[in-house]
Amino acid sequence: AQSVSQHNHHVILSEAASLELGCNYSYGGTVNLFWYVQYPGQHLQLLLKYFSGDPLVKGIKGFEAEFIKSKFSFNLRKPSVQWSDTAEYFCAVKRAGTASKLTFGTGTRLQVTL
Amino acid sequence: DVKVTQSSRYLVKRTGEKVFLECVQDMDHENMFWYRQDPGLGLRLIYFSYDVKMKEKGDIPEGYSVSREKKERFSLILESASTNQTSMYLCASSLGDRGHSPLHFGNGTRLTVT
Repeated sequence: AQSVSQHNHHVILSEAASLELGCNYSYGGTVNLFWYVQYPGQHLQLLLKYFSGDPLVKGIKGFEAEFIKSKFSFNLRKPSVQWSDTAEYFCAVKRAGTASKLTFGTGTRLQVTL
Repeated sequence: DVKVTQSSRYLVKRTGEKVFLECVQDMDHENMFWYRQDPGLGLRLIYFSYDVKMKEKGDIPEGYSVSREKKERFSLILESASTNQTSMYLCASSLGDRGHSPLHFGNGTRLTVT
């Protein structure tokens, strides 16, 4: 079974700082990878996803993530965070080519200060 | 825009009660999911369904059952609620396209079992 690790549980950054949130997964086969975000009081929504092709994936609101197969990683980055990026971020993985279950990490709470 | 509606935002039940959590989606999605979200544990899959009358166990099905009699509705049932089932419950749906489509989440039901 696949699993996902997010080592940063709570990150505090000042506005304009750069962001990198770690995500590592364990599964030997081909995977599809996702980042979801939950803004305060809102439902979870998709930030970006990787299925195949260019390992550098761009998502909404200036976020990007890089799939490094050799490291089983899919880290989320943003060059300059804004106060409105304050949210909880979840990495998720599933086996490629199926509609099978999506396994989520434990989440990283990002707090951006002015 | 896809809408996933969970019938209750907050619910308080007593230990031993039978609890029904309802979820309805309006986009004719084949797949539906029930997750629970707990601090420090992220989202954990309870049950999912690929089609009407179909169900499959997720990672933590114990103490829960589900029902999918109609395509748009997926119910989560706690046969005999216990305090360790106090949690945020999230329903999600997606197209049945081998997992390429993202999950669309509802706003969640915060269940407290006393």
